[in-house]
Amino acid sequence: GNSVTQMEGPVTLSEEAFLTINCTYTATGYPSLFWYVQYPGEGLQLLLKATKADDKGSNKGFEATYRKETTSFHLEKGSVQVSDSAVYFCALSAYSGGYQKVTFGTGTKLQVIP
Amino acid sequence: DSGVTQTPKHLITATGQRVTLRCSPRSGDLSVYWYQQSLDQGLQFLIQYYNGEERAKGNILERFSAQQFPDLHSELNLSSLELGDSALYFCASSATISTDTQYFGPGTRLTVL
Repeated sequence: GNSVTQMEGPVTLSEEAFLTINCTYTATGYPSLFWYVQYPGEGLQLLLKATKADDKGSNKGFEATYRKETTSFHLEKGSVQVSDSAVYFCALSAYSGGYQKVTFGTGTKLQVIP
Repeated sequence: DSGVTQTPKHLITATGQRVTLRCSPRSGDLSVYWYQQSLDQGLQFLIQYYNGEERAKGNILERFSAQQFPDLHSELNLSSLELGDSALYFCASSATISTDTQYFGPGTRLTVL
């Protein structure tokens, strides 16, 4: 079946540090890939997405590139802020058992300290 | 604000009871999804409805059921509740049958005592 593996957290960074959260996936066919962010006490928000190989999704300074050869979709940001503290979920959308379904990773908690 | 609303925000109940969670999708969205988020299981897809019809099932227990009404709002019914059902329940919606871009509601926190 489809699966998403993302790095364990929590990740603690100082403000303005470089961020990488690793994500790899297993899926049949050609999945779409996503990063969602969940701020404390809130639902998930779509951060960025990529729908085909070599696509780069970007939003609010975050980027991720769909790498089919390494089945990866790592999230990066050049300079994190305290307001980026949240839980980040990598996800894929693909067909499984005859219908399209989203599979989420376990989430990586990011804490940015001033 | 995603435009997806869920009620109630919090629910506390006892084992063996039945509860109903409600979700209103974004205006114009035809698909509604239900997810369960718990510390040990992470975020699990439960079920999807599209334009009133069940479209896809995930890890939904037989004690749970859902429906989508003609006005497109959806309800998730949880019965014979157990302690392990305590979790955050999220509803999400998307414009079409495709799961590609989903908008999540704020969630309902269910506590079973």
